[in-house]
Amino acid sequence: DQQVKQNSPSLSVQEGRISILNCDYTNSMFDYFLWYKKYPAEGPTFLISISSIKDKNEDGRFTVFLNKSAKHLSLHIVPSQPGDSAVYFCAAREWSLNMLTFGGGTRLMVKP
Amino acid sequence: DGGITQSPKYLFRKEGQNVTLSCEQNLNHDAMYWYRQDPGQGLRLIYYSQIVNDFQKGDIAEGYSVSREKKESFPLTVTSAQKNPTAFYLCASSDRPGEKLFFGSGTQLSVL
Repeated sequence: DQQVKQNSPSLSVQEGRISILNCDYTNSMFDYFLWYKKYPAEGPTFLISISSIKDKNEDGRFTVFLNKSAKHLSLHIVPSQPGDSAVYFCAAREWSLNMLTFGGGTRLMVKP
Repeated sequence: DGGITQSPKYLFRKEGQNVTLSCEQNLNHDAMYWYRQDPGQGLRLIYYSQIVNDFQKGDIAEGYSVSREKKESFPLTVTSAQKNPTAFYLCASSDRPGEKLFFGSGTQLSVL
């Protein structure tokens, strides 16, 4: 049973426009959420995180929104750049286990 | 320069052979993890260790073994019992369990 789901396996966006990547979760014990970016044949790198006590966190072009009632978070990238083309994973931590659970990833393609 | 080093980058396994993937970190992190990524899929947890000389099974531990004799090192052995070992293996560490993960660059394991 997947507790963290990224329902869109891929997303294509024009350079300069907004990219919105979505993530849904089922476990109400999750208290901390993270987004990672991964290029082929490389390890994921941390992008941005958000605590469950917040509903928004912003870092430059990247903003993460958390809607706890809907158990949904999203990553907004504005403006999108070709270098943003990668696979994006969302992850969530269950506070009692101190473990991260990852979603299946969304491949973002930003076209010049 | 602090980080996580995985070696080798590419590894080939023959039928019935055990192979060991190396993971070393100089971040002074307590917790270390092994994940497996299959094409088009997310990250699945194989084993994790929150402290030296202690480790726990993750979601897909069958056919794998680990050791944690030193804080810096967390090698993963893929045994002959793992019938489908071809995958991209990622090692990660975190300062404390449940905190942001730092990943190595990965090892691609293939079966001859």
